[in-house]
Amino acid sequence: SQQGEEDPQALSIQEGENATMNCSYKTSINNLQWYRQNSGRGLVHLILIRSNEREKHSGRLRVTLDTSKKSSSLLITASRAADTASYFCATRTDFNAGGTSYGKLTFGQGTILTVHP
Amino acid sequence: EAQVTQNPRYLITVTGKKLTVTCSQNMNHEYMSWYRQDPGLGLRQIYYSMNVEVTDKGDVPEGYKVSRKEKRNFPLILESPSPNQTSLYFCASGTGSNPDIQYFGAGTRLSVL
Repeated sequence: SQQGEEDPQALSIQEGENATMNCSYKTSINNLQWYRQNSGRGLVHLILIRSNEREKHSGRLRVTLDTSKKSSSLLITASRAADTASYFCATRTDFNAGGTSYGKLTFGQGTILTVHP
Repeated sequence: EAQVTQNPRYLITVTGKKLTVTCSQNMNHEYMSWYRQDPGLGLRQIYYSMNVEVTDKGDVPEGYKVSRKEKRNFPLILESPSPNQTSLYFCASGTGSNPDIQYFGAGTRLSVL
C-alpha cells in the first residue's frame, strides 16, 4: 500500500457541517501537507505541518499530526458548497544520495468531499 | 499572475506517435516536476528537475523523457506512447532546488488509442 492513505474515500455532508478527513502513512516524515483539487483543475496547496508540530490552523482549516500513530487529520469547519473538491495529503520524506539531501513528496489517493447546499 | 502553464490541456493520440507536453512557469522556480494521476493510485511522480540541466527519475519514469534546458520550461516527452500512458498529467514547480510546497498546472488529459 502507499505511503499516504486517506480515509474516507468519499464524504458527503450538508453546508454548515464540519468535514474531517484522515491520512495515515508508513515511514518517518519531514512534513505533511494537504492539497485541494477542484474538478478538472490542478492541486492547490492548503496547509503544511512539520513533524515537530502537533496542530496547525489556517482559517477554517485545522490540521493535526500524530507522529506516534503516523496519522494526520484535516478538519474543515462550517463547510460551504465551494469546499466541494478532492483533498490529498502529501508526505515529505528526506533522503541522501551522493552526499546531497533530497525531499520526496508522496501523495495519497485523496478524499472526495461533496458539500450539499 | 504567477502560474504553471501546461499545453495542451487535452490530447488524443495513437500508439507510437511521439508527443510532447509543454510546461512553463513564470515564478523563477528552480524545481519542476511531472506527475501522473490515475484512479485509485493518486499522484505518482514521473521525473523531477532540481535546476537547469539537472533531472532525475521519479517513481514511474518508464516510457517518458524530460529535458530542462531553461529554467522556466520542463517538457514531458513520450517517444512512443502506449495505451497504458493514458492518464491525467500534472506539472508542478517549487522555490529552491528542494521545495516543501509545489505549485501545480491545470493538467493535461491524455488518451492514447
